[in-house]
Amino acid sequence: DAKTTQPPSMDCAEGRAANLPCNHSTISGNEYVYWYRQIHSQGPQYIIHGLKNNETNEMASLIITEDRKSSTLILPHATLRDTAVYYCIVRAGANNLFFGTGTRLTVIP
Amino acid sequence: ETGVTQTPRHLVMGMTNKKSLKCEQHLGHNAMYWYKQSAKKPLELMFVYNFKEQTENNSVPSRFSPECPNSSHLFLHLHTLQPEDSALYLCASSLDPLGVDEQFFGPGTRLTVL
Repeated sequence: DAKTTQPPSMDCAEGRAANLPCNHSTISGNEYVYWYRQIHSQGPQYIIHGLKNNETNEMASLIITEDRKSSTLILPHATLRDTAVYYCIVRAGANNLFFGTGTRLTVIP
Repeated sequence: ETGVTQTPRHLVMGMTNKKSLKCEQHLGHNAMYWYKQSAKKPLELMFVYNFKEQTENNSVPSRFSPECPNSSHLFLHLHTLQPEDSALYLCASSLDPLGVDEQFFGPGTRLTVL
């Protein structure tokens, strides 16, 4: 599996967009980019995934660069409930996900 | 509510006890997973079951014994655990074990081994 690199922590003001970066320079052509988040002591929650096109759903947008070596998760209007650890995962299938240390996002009032 | 339930939510056990964790999914999924999350560590995949068959065991000690009687239920039997086994144990499921669908996680069981 391709390894990912994420900043350990980020802050975002409430109501502003949160942009979480992820580098995955060794990604293979058949590997998808997944984003999950984990609110303290709860099970991880799926957010979004994509292969090469940008994706958007009711929770977030995923922007993948043309060379697919990096991506950005965008929470358009961060709320206090978005405070969590966000995991960027690169995998060919959903079966075996490797969760690294992620980015701890703190939304500040 | 993700459609994946886990019981009990909290468990305290001694090192000589035998206990079981239960996971149930109401999503019609075909793959189920056990993960372990120790304090301040990333999630570690323990076991994978596809269509009730175990397809992955990530070098988990034999004191953890999984059981998958059908596609909707997954158990983790515990015996002679060590204090370092104290952790959050998470169950997850996904629709197609060979596909790209997301995993749905339960709320976890917080296990403390005394």
